[in-house]
Amino acid sequence: TQLLEQSPQFLSIQEGENLTVYCNSSSVFSSLQWYRQEPGEGPVLLVTVVTGGEVKKLKRLTFQFGDARKDSSLHITAAQPGDTGLYLCAGYMNYGGSQGNLIFGKGTKLSVKP
Amino acid sequence: KAGVTQTPRYLIKTRGQQVTLSCSPISGHRSVSWYQQTPGQGLQFLFEYFSETQRNKGNFPGRFSGRQFSNSRSEMNVSTLELGDSALYLCASSPRGGGWRYGYTFGSGTRLTVV
Repeated sequence: TQLLEQSPQFLSIQEGENLTVYCNSSSVFSSLQWYRQEPGEGPVLLVTVVTGGEVKKLKRLTFQFGDARKDSSLHITAAQPGDTGLYLCAGYMNYGGSQGNLIFGKGTKLSVKP
Repeated sequence: KAGVTQTPRYLIKTRGQQVTLSCSPISGHRSVSWYQQTPGQGLQFLFEYFSETQRNKGNFPGRFSGRQFSNSRSEMNVSTLELGDSALYLCASSPRGGGWRYGYTFGSGTRLTVV
């Protein structure tokens, strides 16, 4: 069972369209992080959200953390071909004390066509 | 500021062999985490080291092990390789105690192919 469900798995859109990627779980996370990964490279951090209900904007990208800290969304406005890549959400699961780790969703593969 | 460096970038090994992968974190970062990425399972947590001590471990068999040196560099070892160990192995570093809040910096990974 996947702890963090990410949807959709694949998304192919035209330049200029808007899109939203969802990340859902039944577990509560200390934080929710979004990464973007290019083929053959490691994930690159886009944002970290920590507080329930928090909204962060990064140019055309808007990130939201659910009130209960169990889900998150990434919205891209007016997508561009440079936005193409694998988008990964990751929840930080705290097991107590200093023990904790990121739990990743399986990712959304986004393709933006010119 | 140099990023997270992983070596080698590519590796081909035969079933039954063992392999050692290396990771140099960002200068000043004392926490190093390792992840395995496969098309079927995505990114899965292997273990985390902080100040030369394993602080957390994922659900992988004992064939997977690691260590961290006093300069924060880390190595992971996989013994008795199986075909299913073929994957991209990623290392990530974070400042002390800050990964959950400020995020992690990943290396480019080591692509391991077991034949």
